[in-house]
Amino acid sequence: GAVVSQHPSWVICKSGTSVKIECRSLDFQATTMFWYRQFPKQSLMLMATSNEGSKATYEQGVEKDKFLINHASLTLSTLTVTSAHPEDSSFYICSATDRGRGSSGNTIYFGEGSWLTVV
Amino acid sequence: DAKTTQPTSMDCAEGRAANLPCNHSTISGNEYVYWYRQIHSQGPQYIIHGLKNNETNEMASLIITEDRKSSTLILPHATLRDTAVYYCIVRVVDRDKIIFGKGTRLHILP
Repeated sequence: GAVVSQHPSWVICKSGTSVKIECRSLDFQATTMFWYRQFPKQSLMLMATSNEGSKATYEQGVEKDKFLINHASLTLSTLTVTSAHPEDSSFYICSATDRGRGSSGNTIYFGEGSWLTVV
Repeated sequence: DAKTTQPTSMDCAEGRAANLPCNHSTISGNEYVYWYRQIHSQGPQYIIHGLKNNETNEMASLIITEDRKSSTLILPHATLRDTAVYYCIVRVVDRDKIIFGKGTRLHILP
């Protein structure tokens, strides 16, 4: 079963409004989570690193005031798209690393993704 | 992290073994090779990873060359449900930030 869960799976919002996407690690704690965005037929693009208890680190070209990230607990990170525009419509994916699953390599798991459509 | 090079797309007949190559010629000694796949409209799914030995699990086998500069993911009996984009990634264990390449789009043909 899923070890990283996102909610909602899909959301439609009006231009100018804000929408929040949650990413949860289900049975492990994650001090760091990552947020990606993916446009149709393209690869995943890293947006930011979500750090528990501190500010997120954004990749070059990603507006931190538009994509607000909060990592308030060791199992939850949220991405809020503020003042959404149609060009923000995309597939948003989070990831987290489970360091306690025994095998070497500390596997990174990804959420199921969240489709955002801004109309 | 080291860059990887994968073919853009591949076809494989259903029931046959799918062999997906990946070049990572600049891999460092402490970098693992990971494989993920992404089925349409879903998040990437972990498949397998390895350091230098060949690995096998219920999904696939991973063959890493002795010099570690390339690897092959083997899906032993491909089914239509294996149609996906497959990503080969190399990373250091404690570095969780992954930069994705374009991957290989695998088409399983009935």
